[in-house]
Amino acid sequence: NAGVMQNPRHLVRRRGQEARLRCSPMKGHSHVYWYRQLPEEGLKFMVYLQKENIIDESGMPKERFSAEFPKEGPSILRIQQVVRGDSAAYFCASSPLSTSGSSETQYFGPGTRLLVL
Amino acid sequence: KQEVTQIPAALSVPEGENLVLNCSFTDSAIYNLQWFRQDPGKGLTSLLLIQSSQREQTSGRLNASLDKSSGRSTLYIAASQPGDSATYLCAAPLSGSARQLTFGSGTQLTVLP
Repeated sequence: NAGVMQNPRHLVRRRGQEARLRCSPMKGHSHVYWYRQLPEEGLKFMVYLQKENIIDESGMPKERFSAEFPKEGPSILRIQQVVRGDSAAYFCASSPLSTSGSSETQYFGPGTRLLVL
Repeated sequence: KQEVTQIPAALSVPEGENLVLNCSFTDSAIYNLQWFRQDPGKGLTSLLLIQSSQREQTSGRLNASLDKSSGRSTLYIAASQPGDSATYLCAAPLSGSARQLTFGSGTQLTVLP
């Protein structure tokens, strides 16, 4: 069972361009989460999605950032008109649908490191 | 709003020592407490998850404890090895937003051979 996959692993963009980060959850997982790790800072929650639904986007910047998890295909984190402050590592995690009532561990991908020039 | 603090920020120990990493959180209404490991340039690997009703969890040389009333968790690593060198993160999601992990800034551990 392959783990969470993210691509690209490294992405370089110039200011004003768009960045698209992709995440394929583990097989059988229906929940996807995106986190951002700024240089010298901890991981911050951005958004939680289920198939075709955004459940919690309380950590997403109000402008330029969007996320989706379509019925088919990977989850996409899209950053429009990137600025230098967007340079960070973006991690995706997935978890299965909880059936026991207890919380499930989130499994993390290797991350995409975005550099904005 | 949950705030998670980890002390120390960095720790260097000789191989074979037992060590303790600390994690504190401001809101005790947590859903669980999780410890992760992050290697440089890599993602996070889940180490231990303690449900809010539990006091501790053990996996091999690792033991994590949870004291909700004092807002603290510790990760105990026995007989440390150079391969344990990594950044250790704790996360304390709140009940009601259990899927939103709130992370500490981590403890960078170096185990010297």
